[in-house]
Amino acid sequence: DAMVIQNPRYQVTQFGKPVTLSCSQTLNHNVMYWYQQKSSQAPKLLFHYYDKDFNNEADTPDNFQSRRPNTSFCFLDIRSPGLGDAAMYLCATSRDSPDRVYEQFFGPGTRLTVL
Amino acid sequence: GQNIDQPTEMTATEGAIVQINCTYQTSGFNGLFWYQQHAGEAPTFLSYNVLDGLEEKGRFSSFLSRSKGYSYLLLKELQMKDSASYLCAVRDSNYQLIWGAGTKLIIKP
Repeated sequence: DAMVIQNPRYQVTQFGKPVTLSCSQTLNHNVMYWYQQKSSQAPKLLFHYYDKDFNNEADTPDNFQSRRPNTSFCFLDIRSPGLGDAAMYLCATSRDSPDRVYEQFFGPGTRLTVL
Repeated sequence: GQNIDQPTEMTATEGAIVQINCTYQTSGFNGLFWYQQHAGEAPTFLSYNVLDGLEEKGRFSSFLSRSKGYSYLLLKELQMKDSASYLCAVRDSNYQLIWGAGTKLIIKP
């Protein structure tokens, strides 16, 4: 089945210790997104890639970086996690085009705990 | 600023009907989405409206009025598995998706 896969599902890291979250997709979608979602809050968009074009949201902290080495994979790097970065991180994909809007498909998420 | 408003929480009875409202103020409009999110899981797509009117999909229907900046999600014949958060999201003129905080729906037997 075509899908969006995130690894790991649960990640525990220490304060200040870099961590990388990964996402892969078999949908061949051209757009990939990284969201941060805290309990009872709306998903907050961190970055998105439209094909190879990287788009950084204005209020995404510099502590967060992203890489998309190819169509199928995308990574979220948190260089120095703080306690406030504990959240669910959601990867999503879509096949947006300039003249058509499509829904986003989400992976199961990675729940990050910072000790 | 851009804003999406939904009730924080609603309670309904198994077998009944519930309507979850969403009002939005965005810079432009390119469609409205409803997603369902069970606790601890990722959102899953329910419906998409870009023109005024009602879209029906099984037990779920979604309505849009662009002139009023208003949408609702109607759930019929409620089942216990419908207990979840329901998120409204609007695509603005820059094709950015603006998310609401979600409505937590509690279904009671």
